[in-house]
Order: sequence, then structure tokens, then C-alpha cells
Amino acid sequence: GDSVTQMEGPVTLSEEAFLTINCTYTATGYPSLFWYVQYPGEGLQLLLKATKADDKGSNKGFEATYRKETTSFHLEKGSVQVSDSAVYFCALSVTGRRALTFGSGTRLQVQP
Amino acid sequence: EAQVTQNPRYLITVTGKKLTVTCSQNMNHEYMSWYRQDPGLGLRQIYYSMNVEVTDKGDVPEGYKVSRKEKRNFPLILESPSPNQTSLYFCASRTSGRTGELFFGEGSRLTVL
Repeated sequence: GDSVTQMEGPVTLSEEAFLTINCTYTATGYPSLFWYVQYPGEGLQLLLKATKADDKGSNKGFEATYRKETTSFHLEKGSVQVSDSAVYFCALSVTGRRALTFGSGTRLQVQP
Repeated sequence: EAQVTQNPRYLITVTGKKLTVTCSQNMNHEYMSWYRQDPGLGLRQIYYSMNVEVTDKGDVPEGYKVSRKEKRNFPLILESPSPNQTSLYFCASRTSGRTGELFFGEGSRLTVL
């Protein structure tokens, strides 16, 4: 079946540090890939997406590139802020399937 | 404002006492879904609905029921809650055809004693 594997957290960084959160996937079809963010006490929000190989999704300074050869979709940001502290979920969807498959989430803590 | 509204946000109950968590969306979305979030397990889908009167099981449906009598509402029913249903629950909705672009409610934290 489909699955998403994320690096375990928490990831603790100082403000302005570079962020990478790893995400790899397995899927039997041709998935679209997503990153969702969950701020404390809130529901998940779509952060960015990529629908085909080599696409780069970007939003709010975050980027992720769909790498079919390594089945990866790593999330990056050049300079994190305290306000980026949240839990980040990688997810995939496959055409014809009706649900997203989520990873287990990675907590990011950014210290001033 | 486009939103998905869940109630209650927090609930403590006892084993066997029936409860309902309501979910309502104002975006005219066809698809609605319930997830539970547990530490280390991410989000797992409980039930989903492709449209009014059409519901289907997700990955972890045991112990739950749903109904979709109106397009905007999708309540989650726990007929006889048990402690292993203690979790954080999320309702989500989307338009048809945009599988990955879910809109989530703020969550309902349920504790079953």
C-alpha cells in the first residue's frame, strides 16, 4: 500500500537557521505530494503541493521538490522564524484513491 | 469566511455513553471526512463521504458511525465509546477532484474514561 515516512522530531533550531524536514514515500500509482502545517491548537493547513515529478511547490518561504528518482519530497526553508514552530505533515494522494495518506508528522521548534 | 466548524472542541466522557461530534462546512464541498490523530501515527481516516447519502469506511472505522443527510453537515457518532477512542479528531472537506487539498476543522479532543 501507499505510505509516507517522515523524519522523527522534534527538530529544534535557532531563528534564521536552515530547515530541512525529510519525507520519502512509496506509492503504486503516480502520486501528488503535499505538505501540511499544524500550528498549536489548530487544524492542518495546506502549505504547498507538487503534482508531478520535478515540480517544486513553494509558499511562505518553504519549498519542496518532487523527486521521483529518490521518491522524496523534502521540505526546506532558508531562514526559519519562531512563528514557524508547528507540526509538519507530508502526505500523498494517488489518482483513483479517495483519501490522503499522511506521514506521522515532524514537530519543529524554533528558538529565538 | 470559509471554514469547517467542529463541536465540541473538548469533551471528557465515560465508557459507553453515546456521543456525537458535529462538523459543518460552508464551502459547498461535496467531500467530507473524519480523521483521528494519535502520537506517532499521524492522521488516520475514519470515514468519508463523497456526497449526500454516500458514506464509506476509511482505515479505522471500528466503533464509529457517520451520516450525511445534508451537504454541509457530517456528524461523527460514537455509540459506545471506549478508552481506545481517546484521541484528537479532525473533520475535513474538499471539492470533488482535488484530492489533496483538504480544509480542516480545528479539532475535537476527546477523552474517554
